[in-house]
Amino acid sequence: GENVEQHPSTLSVQEGDSAVIKCTYSDSASNYFPWYKQELGKRPQLIIDIRSNVGEKKDQRIAVTLNKTAKHFSLHITETQPEDSAVYFCAGTGNQFYFGTGTSLTVIP
Amino acid sequence: EAQVTQNPRYLITVTGKKLTVTCSQNMNHEYMSWYRQDPGLGLRQIYYSMNVEVTDKGDVPEGYKVSRKEKRNFPLILESPSPNQTSLYFCASSLKTGYINTEAFFGQGTRLTVV
Repeated sequence: GENVEQHPSTLSVQEGDSAVIKCTYSDSASNYFPWYKQELGKRPQLIIDIRSNVGEKKDQRIAVTLNKTAKHFSLHITETQPEDSAVYFCAGTGNQFYFGTGTSLTVIP
Repeated sequence: EAQVTQNPRYLITVTGKKLTVTCSQNMNHEYMSWYRQDPGLGLRQIYYSMNVEVTDKGDVPEGYKVSRKEKRNFPLILESPSPNQTSLYFCASSLKTGYINTEAFFGQGTRLTVV
């Protein structure tokens, strides 16, 4: 099955700086790569996703890049704000969803 | 409103007392799954279902059962709960057919404590 690895497990940045979270996957059949944000005490919610036929996708301050050859994809958050503090999960998908272990992002005001 | 609903939100129970956590979705999704979330371990899949009467084990199925008799419902059953099943549980659903994947929607979560 799929194996998704996510790094780093924790990340602290100053407000206004950029944050980057990276994931690797093993199943070449994976074709959909979502990123979820989980605020404290809440459910994970989709913030951005990318399909395997696209190399990059951007939504305001959030972007995701995909390198199919290297089997890795990354989440980029620019101009970070305190409300970006949360746990972020990546996922690879083949015949089911496989989640990374999560990155706890803290944005320091 | 499109949603995934889990019940109960919080549950404290004793070792060995059978319990069921319900999950229902109103989006006509084929794919449903259960996860447990423990600190440092992320979201680990317990069971998933590709459609009615089709279920399969995830990464951590021991001690759990599921059923999918209707498309909208996917209950998680703990026949004899043990303290190591104390965790935060999430149900999720998505409009997924084979290798065609779309967003997974999560329920609110169930905080289970087994004493």
